[in-house]
Amino acid sequence: DTGVSQDPRHKITKRGQNVTFRCDPISEHNRLYWYRQTLGQGPEFLTYFQNEAQLEKSRLLSDRFSAERPKGSFSTLEIQRTEQGDSAMYLCASSPWGLGNEKLFFGSGTQLSVL
Amino acid sequence: DAKTTQPPSMDCAEGRAANLPCNHSTISGNEYVYWYRQIHSQGPQYIIHGLKNNETNEMASLIITEDRKSSTLILPHATLRDTAVYYCIVRLRDNYGQNFVFGPGTRLSVLP
Repeated sequence: DTGVSQDPRHKITKRGQNVTFRCDPISEHNRLYWYRQTLGQGPEFLTYFQNEAQLEKSRLLSDRFSAERPKGSFSTLEIQRTEQGDSAMYLCASSPWGLGNEKLFFGSGTQLSVL
Repeated sequence: DAKTTQPPSMDCAEGRAANLPCNHSTISGNEYVYWYRQIHSQGPQYIIHGLKNNETNEMASLIITEDRKSSTLILPHATLRDTAVYYCIVRLRDNYGQNFVFGPGTRLSVLP
């Protein structure tokens, strides 16, 4: 299967700890997105990359959050000094860039629980 | 904020057609309508999208009204595996600074 891969699937951490998630997009997809989803809500946009350039960040992305895509392939999302409100599913998606026909391909997400 | 309105939940009998409505009264001329679905504990899955004309693929059909202010996703023969949350999304105008805005969607329950 060459879909979007996210690691780990589940992460339990204590408040104040740092966590890092990894996303491997579909190869040759030049766009990579991070979303966050809480129970009963639709996914909320956090940030996206075109190749290695981070082109947009949501206001949801506080300064405790940082995302990188150093070589335009895999991406990492780090949360520093986690808070209980950070508990959510973190979803990664990739897409091939194309005018008006962009489709997102999502991974299965990383479920974060902050105790 | 999402630019679409969907009913929070719907039921459908197995084997019947599921018709999921979506209102997008403020859609602009070059904005597309996309449908995704999310089965429990998985990431959203692309279903179909369209601009003006009706579209059909192996998963579903998309019917867009002539004024483009609403659309309907049709699953012709719903199965239990179609139980999921269905999201209708209007893609923002420009292709840069682009993101897909998901609302709460419609929770479809396919009943045996």
